[in-house]
Amino acid sequence: AQKVTQAQTEISVVEKEDVTLDCVYETRDTTYYLFWYKQPPSGELVFLIRRNSFDEQNEISGRYSWNFQKSTSSFNFTITASQVVDSAVYFCALSDPNRDDKIIFGKGTRLHILP
Amino acid sequence: EAQVTQNPRYLITVTGKKLTVTCSQNMNHEYMSWYRQDPGLGLRQIYYSMNVEVTDKGDVPEGYKVSRKEKRNFPLILESPSPNQTSLYFCASSPTSLSGDYGYTFGSGTRLTVV
Repeated sequence: AQKVTQAQTEISVVEKEDVTLDCVYETRDTTYYLFWYKQPPSGELVFLIRRNSFDEQNEISGRYSWNFQKSTSSFNFTITASQVVDSAVYFCALSDPNRDDKIIFGKGTRLHILP
Repeated sequence: EAQVTQNPRYLITVTGKKLTVTCSQNMNHEYMSWYRQDPGLGLRQIYYSMNVEVTDKGDVPEGYKVSRKEKRNFPLILESPSPNQTSLYFCASSPTSLSGDYGYTFGSGTRLTVV
């Protein structure tokens, strides 16, 4: 069965520290997509990144970086030099290969950046 | 501005009183979906629509109805709300049913409380 596991329920770090959010997925399909979404305290869901299963290149966008490793079925998200504005719930998600319309979400990791 | 608009943002209602949460997108997306978010459970799909007049159940459809008479609108109807439908609801859209290509664009969410 398809599944996304975010083992870290809640993380607190001091501002300017680096922090990595873990995401492990399960799928039997060879073609799939992985996503990260951010949910700030205001509640909306903000799309951060999409990665397809054939592209294992790591991606960097400013202070954000993503490490995709098919060998370990992981798609981890690192924030470098964290800021208070990074405080949010972060969701990792996987496209359902049986139903192209559906994205399966992990339960999220709540990140607190302490000033 | 390209967006998904949900209304209302907040709603408190009483058990059994029919309500509708509206969702509208201005991106000419074919695919639309409703999710509910609950603590510890993440986001779960309620209903989805591949196009006008085409709707289907997601993982938790009980107690909900939807309709897709126009491409831009996808209202969520609670005919007889109950307290277990107290939740944060999100509408999402995508250009096609292949959510993996683009991911979803989410609305700002509707926080519903049923007393």
